Amino acid sequence: DIQMTQSPSSLSASVGDRVSITCRASQFISAYLNWYQQKPGKAPKLLIYTASSLQSGVPSTFSGSGSGTDFTLTISSLQPEDFATYYCQQSYTTPLTFGGGTKVEI
Amino acid sequence: EAQLVESGGGLVKPGGSLRLSCAASGFTFRSLWMSWVRQAPGKGLEWVGRIKSKTDGGTTDLPAPVKGRFTISRDDSKNTLFLQMNSLKPEDTAVYYCTTDLGLYFGIWGQGTMATVSS
Repeated sequence: DIQMTQSPSSLSASVGDRVSITCRASQFISAYLNWYQQKPGKAPKLLIYTASSLQSGVPSTFSGSGSGTDFTLTISSLQPEDFATYYCQQSYTTPLTFGGGTKVEI
Repeated sequence: EAQLVESGGGLVKPGGSLRLSCAASGFTFRSLWMSWVRQAPGKGLEWVGRIKSKTDGGTTDLPAPVKGRFTISRDDSKNTLFLQMNSLKPEDTAVYYCTTDLGLYFGIWGQGTMATVSS
């Protein structure tokens, strides 16, 4: 199985900060990497697919980069509604696997 | 508006069974692959399995932790996805989400249904 490792597991930031979250795959996954945002008590929401494509309706403050095994989610200017937990997920092969999550808090 | 609504969760004893349903609306359900993803209390996300569209063979793919115990099926005439869970263990306690599976990513998610396995 492909292991997905996110770092950090949590971070503290302020409104307006630039925030980066990294995700590393245990083996090559090309650009088959997605990012989801989850708020407490809610279902995950797709933000970025295939490493760098922005899902429709997602603010352009979110961006994704990387390929191969190393990926980054960047929030260019943190907004109050962005405080949440973020997960990466590989779709290169089954079993589909997620990273452990990164909690972004104030 | 595209929507998924799960139901069927509840409390069951270890070794018992539970059948979850996911009702789809607002999109062409029969055309899409579907997946189940679960989240244990306070934990991360775990993929539980997928079913392809009938056009793509209708086959299922489930990971090792649930293979042989869980079954995924679909009724395209009723726009409904199912997850049959047998031989349940306490570690199966989780919120179960159904989601559209575009092959590349998970698109639409339901609100989730809680399954608790406890004596």
